[in-house]
Amino acid sequence: DIQMTQSPSSLSASVGDRVTITCRTSQSISSYLNWHQQKPGKAPNLLIYAASSLQSGVPSRFSGSGSGTDFTLTISPLQPEDFATYYCQQSYSNPYTFGQGTKLEIK
Amino acid sequence: QVQLQESGPGLVKPSETLSLTCTVSGGSMSTYYWNWIRQPPGKGLEWIGYVYYTGSTNYNPSLKSRVNMSVDTSKKQFSLKLRSVTAADTAVYYCARFRGGGDPLDYWGQGTLVTVSS
Repeated sequence: DIQMTQSPSSLSASVGDRVTITCRTSQSISSYLNWHQQKPGKAPNLLIYAASSLQSGVPSRFSGSGSGTDFTLTISPLQPEDFATYYCQQSYSNPYTFGQGTKLEIK
Repeated sequence: QVQLQESGPGLVKPSETLSLTCTVSGGSMSTYYWNWIRQPPGKGLEWIGYVYYTGSTNYNPSLKSRVNMSVDTSKKQFSLKLRSVTAADTAVYYCARFRGGGDPLDYWGQGTLVTVSS
């Protein structure tokens, strides 16, 4: 299985800040990396696919980058509705694994 | 707008079979892969497997011995069966779709909590 390691596990930030979340994979996955946002009691919601492509309807303050084994999700500027948990997920090979999540909290 | 809705019992006894159905509306099932993902309370996400609209399947090796998925395109539904459940299978179960190999999970159901308990 491809192991996904997200950092940090949790993060405190303020409205208007720029935040970066990192996802590292145990082997190269080219650009087959996706980012999902999950709010409490809700299903995950796709934000970024293929490492850097913005899903339709997602605000442009979200951006993704990376390839191979190292990827980042950047949110700038942070808005109140962005406080949630973020998961990276690889769609390169079975099983399609997820990172452990990064919980973004209000400072 | 594509919508997915999970349904099934919220309580299953240990050693029995968990059975869930996902109903698709607002779009065709053709050419898509239909997935099940689960999330134990307070924990992360685990991909269980998918069934293609043709009926072919691909499962997570960690669950493969206990999982069966099927699709009924005439009813616009696909199903999950997980045999011999234990408390460790207690989770919110989500259905979701992706278009093809390498593509992301772009539409998700709202999820349904299944508790395994006697």
